[in-house]
Formats: sequence, C-alpha cells, structure tokens
Amino acid sequence: GQSLEQPSEVTAVEGAIVQINCTYQTSGFYGLSWYQQHDGGAPTFLSYNALDGLEETGRFSSFLSRSDSYGYLLLQELQMKDSASYFCAVRGIGGSSNTGKLIFGQGTTLQVKP
Amino acid sequence: DAGITQSPRHKVTETGTPVTLRCHQTENHRYMYWYRQDPGHGLRLIHYSYGVKDTDKGEVSDGYSVSRSKTEDFLLTLESATSSQTSVYFCAISPGSTGELFFGEGSRLTVL
Repeated sequence: GQSLEQPSEVTAVEGAIVQINCTYQTSGFYGLSWYQQHDGGAPTFLSYNALDGLEETGRFSSFLSRSDSYGYLLLQELQMKDSASYFCAVRGIGGSSNTGKLIFGQGTTLQVKP
Repeated sequence: DAGITQSPRHKVTETGTPVTLRCHQTENHRYMYWYRQDPGHGLRLIHYSYGVKDTDKGEVSDGYSVSRSKTEDFLLTLESATSSQTSVYFCAISPGSTGELFFGEGSRLTVL
C-alpha cells in the first residue's frame, strides 16, 4: 500500500525552531511537497523537493532524502501566525506515466505559544 | 492568487439527492483535483484530471463521479448523497511540473 506518516501535533514557543517530519511508503515517487493550512482556510503551498537536499525559502526550509523515504519541514524564528496545520504530500504515487497524482499526509497541528 | 472558484460554497441537502460541485479555473492549468477534508483524516484525494476528458480515481472515489468537458471546469457529482459524504470539499489546480497545487476556498456540504 501507500502511506505518509507525520506527527499529529507539535508545540513550540515563539522564536524557537521546530521540525516536522514526514515518512512515506509509496510505489512511485516524484517529489515531496509541504502545505500550510490555517483554521477555516484553504491549504497553501510552502515548498517542493524533487531531489535530495535542503530547499530554503525565508524562515521555512524543507529537506528530502529519497533513499530514506523521509523529509522534513523546518520552521525557524517561530511566530504566533505560524500556528496552523502542516501537510506533507507525495507526487507521482502509483508509478504511472501520469505524475500529477498528489496524496497528502494527515497533517501536523503546530501550536506556537508565547 | 490563482484564478480558481468553487460553487456552491455551502450546501445542505438530504440523503439520496444528487449533488454537483463545480470548480472553475482561469489559469489554463492541465491538472485539476477534488479532495475532501474531514477531522482526523487530512486531505483525501477523490478524483483528479490530467486533461480534458482524462480523469483518474483517487483514494476515496466510491460514491463520486467527475467530468471535465473543457479545460476550465471540473465537476464533482454525488449521484445519491449519504451522510458520510458530509465534508469540506476542496478543488485544486496545478500546471503539473511541480508539486504545487493552488486550492479553491472549499465547499462545505452537509447531508442530512
């Protein structure tokens, strides 16, 4: 089967650094994405890793290790507004020639405390 | 913001009635998706489309059908709604070259 695993909840304090892990088991893989979703809102794209290594975008970074089927999202200098749900998503599940299929993990709720 | 709109945004219906949700895009993106979101389950893929008249099933496709007769519109139909289909439905679009999806604002469906 196919699955993505991420922690259900993470708590951190303002100004700190937090890492949200994602492990996946899929029959096909083309890349790992991360999304943020605030309560009552729609998911918004944060980052995408197709190759191993670290991608940095401002306070957010995302890492991928294809050999370990593992990735993480790193949030630095946490702010209260970072309190949200974070989802990892795998593209290309199924190994079909159509690489557009995108499957999401169940999400990690991040609570940032003062 | 990506040009994507969903309609209706809110709907209450009764068990056994048909329901159609519409997703409309102005970006000319190749890929369109329908997800449902329920507490404790994250986002689950129902169906997606990789071109006009080209669709494929997702994780939870039973009880749902889709159609895409033109690039800009992707319709999700519940032939006979059940209470288990009460959910928030998100449409998303993507050009397909990366894992970046642009989501609509969601449609909240309640089946009584």
